[in-house]
Amino acid sequence: AQTVTQSQPEMSVQEAETVTLSCTYDTSESDYYLFWYKQPPSRQMILVIRQEAYKQQNATENRFSVNFQKAAKSFSLKISDSQLGDAAMYFCAYRRSGNTPLVFGKGTRLSVIA
Amino acid sequence: KAGVTQTPRYLIKTRGQQVTLSCSPISGHRSVSWYQQTPGQGLQFLFEYFSETQRNKGNFPGRFSGRQFSNSRSEMNVSTLELGDSALYLCASARTGTSGTETQYFGPGTRLLVL
Repeated sequence: AQTVTQSQPEMSVQEAETVTLSCTYDTSESDYYLFWYKQPPSRQMILVIRQEAYKQQNATENRFSVNFQKAAKSFSLKISDSQLGDAAMYFCAYRRSGNTPLVFGKGTRLSVIA
Repeated sequence: KAGVTQTPRYLIKTRGQQVTLSCSPISGHRSVSWYQQTPGQGLQFLFEYFSETQRNKGNFPGRFSGRQFSNSRSEMNVSTLELGDSALYLCASARTGTSGTETQYFGPGTRLLVL
């Protein structure tokens, strides 16, 4: 079974600084997708960024970027110029190709210090 | 376009009772997935419905069931509630759910407390 591990239960960052959240996963599949979701206090899960495993280029969405290391099965999220609104739980998720459910990590709680 | 809506938002039940949660997907979305979120177990997949048929099922007991209607709205039912069923239940919709890159849009969740 696929597993997703987020080794940092909590992280903090100063406003305007950069922070990196770690995620590793275990799979024997070659075709899969990786996601970072944000869950603010409102509890609504919001997709931050996604990466197709067959793409070597790291995905980027504005201030959010990933470092995807397929051989190492690592998928970290970098948040640049952190803002107070970035404070939330961040979940790393994996999805096998085809019609399959998301497998989530336990999450990392990010605090942003003004 | 309206987002995924879930009703009710909060629910308090006692052990042994049953509960029904509702999820209305984004217009045009035919896939609805349900997840349970607890502090101990994190986010766990319950089941997915597509065109009124259960397409995927997670590892939950038979007390957890669901269905989907012709308008893609979905309901989730939990019978004989246990204290451990206290959780945030999240619903997510997708257009078809067949592509790995397809975004799943989540609702705000229903928080269930079992006393």
